[in-house]
Amino acid sequence: DVKVTQSSRYLVKRTGEKVFLECVQDMDHENMFWYRQDPGLGLRLIYFSYDVKMKEKGDIPEGYSVSREKKERFSLILESASTNQTSMYLCASSSRDGRGPQHFGDGTRLSIL
Amino acid sequence: QKEVEQNSGPLSVPEGAIASLNCTYSDRVSQSFFWYRQYSGKSPELIMSIYSNGDKEDGRFTAQLNKASQYVSLLIRDSQPSDSATYLCAVNPSGGGSEKLVFGKGTKLTVNP
Repeated sequence: DVKVTQSSRYLVKRTGEKVFLECVQDMDHENMFWYRQDPGLGLRLIYFSYDVKMKEKGDIPEGYSVSREKKERFSLILESASTNQTSMYLCASSSRDGRGPQHFGDGTRLSIL
Repeated sequence: QKEVEQNSGPLSVPEGAIASLNCTYSDRVSQSFFWYRQYSGKSPELIMSIYSNGDKEDGRFTAQLNKASQYVSLLIRDSQPSDSATYLCAVNPSGGGSEKLVFGKGTKLTVNP
């Protein structure tokens, strides 16, 4: 089974802090994704990566950056956290051919105070 | 803008009934279709994948795909209270050549004992 592991289930940070969310997958997947999910807005793609050191902006990249130094690890960085970044953050991975599904981690519920 | 629309909820059915969840998509060349189940406060869990026209059955779940009508549905037979969740439809657009999925906003299902 595919295993996608997010480093924290719950996280509380203060405005202005630099926040790191980590995601690791064990299926040698090329593609990795970061989403945020808010009530009524559905899943929104922040960034995705299709290879090591490669990244592309999703629909809402403002205020975020990402890092993928190793194939299995994809990090989301909130450069200067703001209260409107309080949300559920979901990491996912999929294989290169793009036909298969994405597999999600358990999510990180992030609160910015 | 490639879109995935799901029937507006919430949907409420009695225990033992058939629950029918519907999804339409805008990109005619889409090739891969997925249904995810998401319990409140949890991450999406893949429950069905379908790639060809027709029906695909897995236990109490049946996915139906009609590419000509750009329509995919999920039937849940003998619905149980444990099926109460939000169901997300996801589509891989552009003939499967895209790494990204387009997600619907979900339909919330409640199964009443």
